[in-house]
Amino acid sequence: EVQLLESGGALVQPGGSLRLSCAASGFTFINYAMSWVRQAPGKGLEWVSAVSGNSGATYYADSVKGRFSISRDNSRNTLYLQLNSLRAEDTAVYYCAKCRMLTGYDFDYWGQGTLVTVSS
Amino acid sequence: DIQMTQSPSTLSAYVGDRVTISCRASQSISTWLAWYQQKPGKAPKLLIYKASNLESGVPSRFSGSGSGTEFTLTISSLQPDDFATYYCLQYSNYWTFGQGTKVEIK
Repeated sequence: EVQLLESGGALVQPGGSLRLSCAASGFTFINYAMSWVRQAPGKGLEWVSAVSGNSGATYYADSVKGRFSISRDNSRNTLYLQLNSLRAEDTAVYYCAKCRMLTGYDFDYWGQGTLVTVSS
Repeated sequence: DIQMTQSPSTLSAYVGDRVTISCRASQSISTWLAWYQQKPGKAPKLLIYKASNLESGVPSRFSGSGSGTEFTLTISSLQPDDFATYYCLQYSNYWTFGQGTKVEIK
């Protein structure tokens, strides 16, 4: 059974940093691209970032480019998202999602999310 | 960037109704489109991928169609468990979600 478990969400001040983690199990992690998707309170879904299975390619939404960094440790079956220079508009539930293929495609499994609140 | 426009934003329907949700892409995405269902406080759930392929375990009352720029999600007979918000997702060029369609009880 595929399981994705996010952690690391917290209350952080504007301009601060945070690292989110997503522990994966139930599938061969290295064979699949992974992604982060966020959802601000009461709003829709927004794709944030993605990384290919071998970390050879990374992708970012314009809204986070230059501030967020995605990475993965295939030996630990863990996905990361480093959030820097946080703004109030980054407040959201952050979901980890497994892509259907090595290089991307749709998101077939999702974690339950971790809440990031940016506020002073 | 590819923009995705869903309609309607909100839909009120009775149990048993046939329901249709539309999604339009700002440029052709072939059939690189998925549909998700989300309930309050829960993660999204994949229903349809590559425009018309039913994800394993999803009831057959859900179906998807379309290609290019126009896509449709149809629920053939709305059930109580189907009241939720639905999102389309394009994955032709990066990833973009539609703004969502909330299906409410009439």
